[in-house]
Amino acid sequence: GAVVSQHPSRVICKSGTSVKIECRSLDFQATTMFWYRQFPKQSLMLMATSNEGSKATYEQGVEKDKFLINHASLTLSTLTVTSAHPEDSSFYICSASVAGLAGTSYNEQFFGPGTRLTVL
Amino acid sequence: GQNIDQPTEMTATEGAIVQINCTYQTSGFNGLFWYQQHAGEAPTFLSYNVLDGLEEKGRFSSFLSRSKGYSYLLLKELQMKDSASYLCAVRRTTDSWGKLQFGAGTQVVVTP
Repeated sequence: GAVVSQHPSRVICKSGTSVKIECRSLDFQATTMFWYRQFPKQSLMLMATSNEGSKATYEQGVEKDKFLINHASLTLSTLTVTSAHPEDSSFYICSASVAGLAGTSYNEQFFGPGTRLTVL
Repeated sequence: GQNIDQPTEMTATEGAIVQINCTYQTSGFNGLFWYQQHAGEAPTFLSYNVLDGLEEKGRFSSFLSRSKGYSYLLLKELQMKDSASYLCAVRRTTDSWGKLQFGAGTQVVVTP
């Protein structure tokens, strides 16, 4: 249980285009989903926290108009990188958490496999 | 704010033991997590400590001292597949929804 998927796993796009990344909790309903960005050999940097049916909470320094997050249901959150530029190239990872999920005790986050974005 | 510090890299031989330290400074501490991340993959949950003491799970153990703001992850009987980055993450009572702050990660290299 507690499987999180992401799609696509890899995407290459031209500068100026928009890219949408989907994050799904496959076998549970996620109270909250998180979006992270990770540059090579660096740690996870939290971009935003997303709850179903409400606006995402962005971390300081993250442009909400550039990184659009939609959390339409308890199993799906999407991140859209608008007008992507080469500096947006990174590994984007989502995670989901839910309190009281059977088999867990810690309200830990379950991570998706990540999306490698390359902007040319 | 909070600072989470861990060594950048550690090297050990197969079969040996390695201890990865993590120190943190935070208000409203509400738990510390360790995750393992192989290159190009998502992190996977290893352990959780919220009370002082040692939690053992097979070859992996994690220790916490809240008064010292200190934790370590102990990897025993190292295997080649243990080569990965190990992330220390802290949760605070003031953060909603299970939000975590991650350290920079410790790259463990296991040699034959």
